[in-house]
Amino acid sequence: GAVVSQHPSWVICKSGTSVKIECRSLDFQATTMFWYRQFPKQSLMLMATSNEGSKATYEQGVEKDKFLINHASLTLSTLTVTSAHPEDSSFYICSAMPASGSTDTQYFGPGTRLTVL
Amino acid sequence: QKEVEQDPGPLSVPEGAIVSLNCTYSNSAFQYFMWYRQYSRKGPELLMYTYSSGNKEDGRFTAQVDKSSKYISLFIRDSQPSDSATYLCAMSYNTDKLIFGTGTRLQVFP
Repeated sequence: GAVVSQHPSWVICKSGTSVKIECRSLDFQATTMFWYRQFPKQSLMLMATSNEGSKATYEQGVEKDKFLINHASLTLSTLTVTSAHPEDSSFYICSAMPASGSTDTQYFGPGTRLTVL
Repeated sequence: QKEVEQDPGPLSVPEGAIVSLNCTYSNSAFQYFMWYRQYSRKGPELLMYTYSSGNKEDGRFTAQVDKSSKYISLFIRDSQPSDSATYLCAMSYNTDKLIFGTGTRLQVFP
């Protein structure tokens, strides 16, 4: 089956530092990847959609200068949280869609738990 | 009003019970309906996918969509302790963007 990995699985950082999270599709090529954020006991909220080789599309209310997304290859997308603050502490989940896929074929990564002190 | 409403639970049932999980939604434009299972500190796993109205069955799982009532359901028969997880409904228009419910936490006790 299609596997999506994320690295790191958890990270603790100091306020004001930047953190990079990687999302990789291990056995398929993904032209589209999605980044979600999930606060405790809340739903997954889509942050942005990234397409390989083009700029990411951010959802309303998500600061594109704070959450930098790069989709440099068909198997890798990165999310960088710049100048992180405690309110950015959350569970970040990516999903990847195969090149020939549709809505029902988004494969989710295991998530990255970010804690900002 | 949220686009998708889901009771957060927790829902606690004995092993072997039939579980009913539900979501309501407000936007009649939704065409694709999904149920995901999420274990603690893990990413969601797709369980069921339904296009438009109707029922779909897969093993112990049955998904129902009633577009006239804007109501979807997931039934789990012969529930097992391993079914204990958070169940998320998700919906989509004709695009790739998924709108998730808040999730219902299910606990199946032996």
